Amino acid sequence: DAKTTQPNSMESNEEEPVHLPCNHSTISGTDYIHWYRQLPSQGPEYVIHGLTSNVNNRMASLAIAEDRKSSTLILHRATLRDAAVYYCILRDVTGAGSYQLTFGKGTKLSVIP
Amino acid sequence: NAGVTQTPKFRVLKTGQSMTLLCAQDMNHEYMYWYRQDPGMGLRLIHYSVGEGTTAKGEVPDGYNVSRLKKQNFLLGLESAAPSQTSVYFCASRRRLPYRNTEAFFGQGTRLTVV
Repeated sequence: DAKTTQPNSMESNEEEPVHLPCNHSTISGTDYIHWYRQLPSQGPEYVIHGLTSNVNNRMASLAIAEDRKSSTLILHRATLRDAAVYYCILRDVTGAGSYQLTFGKGTKLSVIP
Repeated sequence: NAGVTQTPKFRVLKTGQSMTLLCAQDMNHEYMYWYRQDPGMGLRLIHYSVGEGTTAKGEVPDGYNVSRLKKQNFLLGLESAAPSQTSVYFCASRRRLPYRNTEAFFGQGTRLTVV
């Protein structure tokens, strides 16, 4: 899978929007952009994924740049429960590695009350 | 709905001992995975399985063996534990269809300490 670059950490105030960036300049046409998050002392959980168009679900929104070389996970209103490590992952659904999900170090989000 | 269940949740082993970690999923998923997570690091893939009776190596397979005799279970074995295998182990599963692009579900983790 192509690599992603995320800031090590970010802070947000409670009840404010949070924009978590991810750079993926070597993304290929068949790479999907996935986001997972890991709450303290828990396993990762799926947040959202997309290919080209922006995506929304009950947890978050995913904004994908027109050239697909970057994306942003948007939490519309941060709560204390959103404090977690957020992972941006690219998945090539066509290649031999498509079975795998490769995690980087992610962005640790702190939410300030 | 239990999802993905890992047994045990905690374990302390002495160097050289063996043990098996059990992962069970009740979602009828085809794909299952074992990861390890060391402090301050992301998850690294140990082994995975794309179906009953099949397994494959991931990024860090040395020192581990796996088996998938039943679709719902994926076992991770340590034949001779070493301190370097002290870590938190996570199991995950996901369904194959409609594409290979489905979301993964993770267990709560097994914290293993080798002394």
